[in-house]
Amino acid sequence: NAGVMQNPRHLVRRRGQEARLRCSPMKGHSHVYWYRQLPEEGLKFMVYLQKENIIDESGMPKERFSAEFPKEGPSILRIQQVVRGDSAAYFCASSVDREVVQYFGPGTRLTVT
Amino acid sequence: KQEVTQIPAALSVPEGENLVLNCSFTDSAIYNLQWFRQDPGKGLTSLLLIQSSQREQTSGRLNASLDKSSGRSTLYIAASQPGDSATYLCAVNGANSKLTFGKGITLSVRP
Repeated sequence: NAGVMQNPRHLVRRRGQEARLRCSPMKGHSHVYWYRQLPEEGLKFMVYLQKENIIDESGMPKERFSAEFPKEGPSILRIQQVVRGDSAAYFCASSVDREVVQYFGPGTRLTVT
Repeated sequence: KQEVTQIPAALSVPEGENLVLNCSFTDSAIYNLQWFRQDPGKGLTSLLLIQSSQREQTSGRLNASLDKSSGRSTLYIAASQPGDSATYLCAVNGANSKLTFGKGITLSVRP
């Protein structure tokens, strides 16, 4: 059973471009979470999704950020018009249900130049 | 708003020492608490999960305890090894299953 997969592992974007981060949860997991780790800061919750539904997006910046988890395919975190402050490691986690162990992927390290 | 604190930020110990990593949280209304390990530039590895109704969990040389009423958890590592060197993160699971993380304790075990 493969773990949580994230791609790409490293992503470089120029200011103003779009970044698309993908997350494939563990087999049988329908709950997906995105977290961001800024340099010198702890991990912060961004959004919680369950197939085709956003359950909690209280940690998402109001502008330029969006997330989806379609019926088929991976979850996508999309950042439009990236700025230098978006440079961070973005981690995806999945779980089989609420309030149980969350398994984390290896992360996508986004660098905005 | 839940806040999780891990002190100290860094710890250096000689190999073989038993050590305790502390975690405190402000809101005792939690479902569970997870301890993770993060190696530099890598993802998170789940070490132990303690449900709110439990007092402790053990896995090999690791033992985690939870005192929900006082808002504290400890991770005990027995007979530390250089391979234990990493950052250890504590995270509490509250409303809507979102984890609130501490900033972590960076552990260095000297041979």
